[in-house]
Amino acid sequence: DAGVIQSPRHEVTEMGQEVTLRCKPISGHDYLFWYRQTMMRGLELLIYFNNNVPIDDSGMPEDRFSAKMPNASFSTLKIQPSEPRDSAVYFCASSFRDDRDQAYEQYFGPGTRLTVT
Amino acid sequence: EDQVTQSPEALRLQEGESSSLNCSYTVSGLRGLFWYRQDPGKGPEFLFTLYSAGEEKEKERLKATLTKKESFLHITAPKPEDSATYLCAVQARRGSARQLTFGSGTQLTVLP
Repeated sequence: DAGVIQSPRHEVTEMGQEVTLRCKPISGHDYLFWYRQTMMRGLELLIYFNNNVPIDDSGMPEDRFSAKMPNASFSTLKIQPSEPRDSAVYFCASSFRDDRDQAYEQYFGPGTRLTVT
Repeated sequence: EDQVTQSPEALRLQEGESSSLNCSYTVSGLRGLFWYRQDPGKGPEFLFTLYSAGEEKEKERLKATLTKKESFLHITAPKPEDSATYLCAVQARRGSARQLTFGSGTQLTVLP
């Protein structure tokens, strides 16, 4: 398996522009997570999906952020309009099917480094 | 609120000098504690899952242990290629919740 795939790897945009980050989870995983990592705040969960349904979006910083998962193999995180404080590395992760209330590890993609000028 | 505190923030070791990294946690019922390794410019790479106090897991030069309040990642005779940031995370046993709470990490540098 190729692992979690994210695109683009790097994105540089100007303040006010729309940014769309993309993620393809590992096949067969039914949980998908979006994280943001900064030096100041570390790794923070933004939102996660189970079977394509958003379960918890309490980490989404504000209405400028939105995420969708139209099918089991694709998710997007959109920022509109973008601001310089959104500059960070955004990670997507996926996790196994969870049949027995067990803790399953999350597998991370390589991340998208977003710079908003 | 779940909390994870890792110490030290940074650690420099000579090659072959064994040491331990600490992860203290507060969670309302632990479903699992995870250790990850993160190299610069890459995503976190899964290492171990620990489920209950007393559990231990090993992989090459790494050994992870768990108590009711903390976890240790022991590194035996480290090599320069072990240099990375090591992250600890907890998942609470709270209904159907599956989110992880991460610590800020320990940046390990192993000098040749």
